[in-house]
Amino acid sequence: DVQLVESGGGLVQPGGSLTLSCVGSGFSFGVTTMSWVRQAPGKGLEWVANKKEDGSDESYVDSVKGRFIISRDNSQNSLFLQMNSLRDEDTAVYYCGRGGRKYFDAWGHGTLVTVSS
Amino acid sequence: ELVLTQSPATLSLSPGERATLFCRASQSVSSSLVWYQQRPGQAPRLLIYDTSNRATGIPARFSGSGSGTDFTLTISSLRPEDFAVYYCQQRNNGRHSFGQGTKLEIK
Repeated sequence: DVQLVESGGGLVQPGGSLTLSCVGSGFSFGVTTMSWVRQAPGKGLEWVANKKEDGSDESYVDSVKGRFIISRDNSQNSLFLQMNSLRDEDTAVYYCGRGGRKYFDAWGHGTLVTVSS
Repeated sequence: ELVLTQSPATLSLSPGERATLFCRASQSVSSSLVWYQQRPGQAPRLLIYDTSNRATGIPARFSGSGSGTDFTLTISSLRPEDFAVYYCQQRNNGRHSFGQGTKLEIK
């Protein structure tokens, strides 16, 4: 079975940094585009970033450009999201998603990031 | 920027009834319109991709249709587990957009 497990969420002050991790299993991680999608409390879904399978290309939503960095380590079946200069509006559950070329066909359980002083 | 607008915001129906959910795009899109279901406290689940193709394990009572700017998700006969929030999504110019969601609630 395909499984995605996120970790690294927590409480951080505005302006702080946090790095999220996602480990995939049950599929060929190294040949799959991977993505991060977030959901603010009580709100809808928002795509954050994705990275191609070979790491050659990445894309970000405008609101996180220059602050977040998506990376991956295919040898460890892992996806990361380094989040810097965090703002209140970055508070959300962050989901790791398999895919990103057209859609996301598997999702992790999510990890909660709370930005608050 | 592509904007997806879902309607209605909330749909109140009874088990056994037919549900029709709408997603309108701000500009004409390809056939790659996608639908997800999100039950309370759970991660989203892929339902429909490329407008009308059911994802693996999705029951036949779910169907998608549409083209251009107007798309529809239909649930032919509602079961208790279908009451959830539904999102449409599309990728355009390398960016993904989601609709704001339709909450399908029990009447």
